[in-house]
Amino acid sequence: QAVVTQEPSLTVSPGGTVTLTCGSSTGPVTSGHYPHWFQQKPGQAPRTLIYDTTNTYSWTPARFSGSLLGGKAALTLSGAQVEDEADYYCLLYNSGGAVFGGGTKLTVL
Amino acid sequence: EVQLLGSGGGLAQPGGSLRLSCAASGFTCSTQGMTWVRQTPGKGLEWVSGIRASGGNTYYADSVKGRFTISTDKSKNTLYLLLNNLRAEDTALYYCTKGGPGSPIDYWGQGIPVTVSS
Repeated sequence: QAVVTQEPSLTVSPGGTVTLTCGSSTGPVTSGHYPHWFQQKPGQAPRTLIYDTTNTYSWTPARFSGSLLGGKAALTLSGAQVEDEADYYCLLYNSGGAVFGGGTKLTVL
Repeated sequence: EVQLLGSGGGLAQPGGSLRLSCAASGFTCSTQGMTWVRQTPGKGLEWVSGIRASGGNTYYADSVKGRFTISTDKSKNTLYLLLNNLRAEDTALYYCTKGGPGSPIDYWGQGIPVTVSS
C-alpha cells in the first residue's frame, strides 16, 4: 500500500497562516484520492475537518480550507488560534482501501 | 442526532478473538460506507477496514487482511469488526466512523480499547 507523508511538526504564530501537506509515494495526489483531513486533540477522538479535497462540514471553522497544491493535498489554516494546536492527519483512498498520513503536530506559539 | 456507540473491546490473549460493535443512531449504517480506524497510544491513526454501502465491497489494511472481518447488520443498525488470531501489535484504541468507501467520513465513535496480552 502507498505511503502517505506529512510534515512531522509545524509551528505557526497566533493569527498567522500555515499550510500542511499530504503526499503519496505512488505519485501526485488528485481529487480521485478523496483527500480527508482530521484534527485530533489530546484525549479526544479525531474530528473530520475536510472531505473530498475541499469540502467542509458545519462544524469546520471557516479558517480551515483544503486544496491540491503541487501534487499534494493541502490544509491551510488562516488566522491560527491557540485552540488550533493539535495533531492533524490526512487520509487518501486508493483502489485497495485507504491510508493515513503519519500526522502533523501543529504548535501555535 | 448521529451517534456511534462502540462496545466489545477488552483484554484478549494472543491468538484469541474479539468482536467490536458500533451501534449507530440517527442514520442507517448499511446505507453508508463505514470504516474502522485504530490508534496505538502516542502514535498516529491507522486505517484498518472499510465497507461500502449496503454490505458491498470490503477493504482491509495489509496488517489485518485475513484476520479481521468487517460487516454490518441492518436489523441492529450496527457495524462490526471481528478480530481473529490477535497479535500484541493489534493492541490499540479502535474507532468506528460514519463514512468510508464511497461515502465521506464525518462522524467518529468514542473509541474502543483492545489489549492483546498473555
